[in-house]
Amino acid sequence: ETGVTQSPTHLIKTRGQQVTLRCSSQSGHNTVSWYQQALGQGPQFIFQYYREEENGRGNFPPRFSGLQFPNYSSELNVNALELDDSALYLCATQRAGGAKNIQYFGAGTRLSVL
Amino acid sequence: TQLLEQSPQFLSIQEGENLTVYCNSSSVFSSLQWYRQEPGEGPVLLVTVVTGGEVKKLKRLTFQFGDARKDSSLHITAAQPGDTGLYLCAGVWPKTSYDKVIFGPGTSLSVIP
Repeated sequence: ETGVTQSPTHLIKTRGQQVTLRCSSQSGHNTVSWYQQALGQGPQFIFQYYREEENGRGNFPPRFSGLQFPNYSSELNVNALELDDSALYLCATQRAGGAKNIQYFGAGTRLSVL
Repeated sequence: TQLLEQSPQFLSIQEGENLTVYCNSSSVFSSLQWYRQEPGEGPVLLVTVVTGGEVKKLKRLTFQFGDARKDSSLHITAAQPGDTGLYLCAGVWPKTSYDKVIFGPGTSLSVIP
């Protein structure tokens, strides 16, 4: 049990629609990263937020955007969904002042785009 | 572009057997992590190795970091059905404002009772 909760657990959308995925973590976890994990692949880094600011981004287009709130919960928004966006989306949090690069992952949101 | 390769991609063994999985890159990492991911769950960190040549043991699991910090291996002794899962290695590269974590594609392990 990592204390990281993602919602919803499963989601079905159609091409062109928009989706919002949510992540909440334990108190004091002020860094959150989002990853996309396609079937049979490792997680791919989308972006990271630290104290409500994006401080790192992977090779994903601008239609992938995010937010981090004052309570350090987070959202991942994807606009203009494409079929290839079908994947497991994972968020991972890090504890403020904790050991470097120790990430706690949620169980993910499984997104299917039809 | 930093890329990680893992081998084998799939592994199916009998309970009690030993196995080794490998993680390789052409890039030098500041550190390397191993995770295990079970179906329907997120990855769980097993170990972080930092120093070239470092060996860490976690019960029946032995992790080794290559001398040049470009490769790593995970050895499991006397595998058990509970070891079944996707084993992911992840290389860490420091960037200006954050540490970039790059995952390999994983080794899917199935231990048959």
